[in-house]
Amino acid sequence: AQKVTQAQTEISVVEKEDVTLDCVYETRDTTYYLFWYKQPPSGELVFLIRRNSFDEQNEISGRYSWNFQKSTSSFNFTITASQVVDSAVYFCALSGLNYGGATNKLIFGTGTLLAVQP
Amino acid sequence: DTGVSQNPRHKITKRGQNVTFRCDPISEHNRLYWYRQTLGQGPEFLTYFQNEAQLEKSRLLSDRFSAERPKGSFSTLEIQRTEQGDSAMYLCASSLAINSYEQYFGPGTRLTVT
Repeated sequence: AQKVTQAQTEISVVEKEDVTLDCVYETRDTTYYLFWYKQPPSGELVFLIRRNSFDEQNEISGRYSWNFQKSTSSFNFTITASQVVDSAVYFCALSGLNYGGATNKLIFGTGTLLAVQP
Repeated sequence: DTGVSQNPRHKITKRGQNVTFRCDPISEHNRLYWYRQTLGQGPEFLTYFQNEAQLEKSRLLSDRFSAERPKGSFSTLEIQRTEQGDSAMYLCASSLAINSYEQYFGPGTRLTVT
């Protein structure tokens, strides 16, 4: 069975602080993809990043960075120098692949509510 | 390119009534997904289509739920004899079927059953 766990329900930080959101996943697939989505108060899910299971190279994109560790089944997300506009619910998600190389259904965690105070 | 659109954005209905939601995917996307999200939870998969074929349905999708994508473009999700437990945000997403990884989500339809 596939499962995504986001143990942090809510995080509150002051603007300019760094914050890391944790994600732990379970899957029996050997090939899979991991995602982070952002859901601002408006409600629409916004895609942030994807990582495939055979690429453990971590990445930095602007203020965002990701740490994928297959050995611990974790895919953590860090925002550097947080801003008020970063306030949202962040979801980690997992998907297998089908023939043709497209992802299947997304399995989401329960989300982490990030509140960035001015 | 307009994103995924969903109509209506909000629906209030009385228990026992039928409701239908519509999703228009990104035009070149041949995969379409439906998810349901309740308060404080992540989205849960309901069903997905590749073109007009419904390829998978979740056990969450009871007999009262039916989804269609008759021409492989827009999709409808109907809930018959609504119950209060059906109150949720219904999300639609689309993607390409080959070498595609991201699903792009619409704004959702919020259903309230009174």
